Amino acid sequence: NAGVMQNPRHLVRRRGQEARLRCSPMKGHSHVYWYRQLPEEGLKFMVYLQKENIIDESGMPKERFSAEFPKEGPSILRIQQVVRGDSAAYFCASSPPGQDTDTQYFGPGTRLTVL
Amino acid sequence: DAKTTQPTSMDCAEGRAANLPCNHSTISGNEYVYWYRQIHSQGPQYIIHGLKNNETNEMASLIITEDRKSSTLILPHATLRDTAVYYCIAKISNDYKLSFGAGTTVTVRA
Repeated sequence: NAGVMQNPRHLVRRRGQEARLRCSPMKGHSHVYWYRQLPEEGLKFMVYLQKENIIDESGMPKERFSAEFPKEGPSILRIQQVVRGDSAAYFCASSPPGQDTDTQYFGPGTRLTVL
Repeated sequence: DAKTTQPTSMDCAEGRAANLPCNHSTISGNEYVYWYRQIHSQGPQYIIHGLKNNETNEMASLIITEDRKSSTLILPHATLRDTAVYYCIAKISNDYKLSFGAGTTVTVRA
């Protein structure tokens, strides 16, 4: 049973470009969460999505960041016009529907470097 | 969610039990204690969680004091691969946001 998958694992962008990070949840999981870990800091919650719905995006920066979880396909975290401060590790987690949404299982992360 | 306090770091000898303490003196009755760990450059890994009773799984044991103000994660036979940052998180059942503090950096030495 495959775990949470994220790609790419490493992403390099120049300032002003767009970054697209993908997350495929564990099989049977319909809840997806995105977290960001800045260098030398702890993980911070960004957004919680269920299929086709954003449930809570209170941790997302107000501008340039967006997330989606379409009916088909992976969840996407999109960062437009990246700046150096966006350099971080971005982790996706998933949990099953209904019962036990408490336990989140994390993917390996995408490390974004903005030059 | 209640604040948790953990030691900044600790060393452990390979093959010995590692006992990781966590204080959560303001924990409420409906808050669970969760433990995750993050091995360098990897995503956080779920270890175990509990509410009141002690819990055990294939990875670790969780001992929660009767007053629930503190708990201990026990890795029964630490290996070098257990070197990681360990996070203790107090969380209400229906609160999906995990709040990661600084955690305890555990170094297992041969």
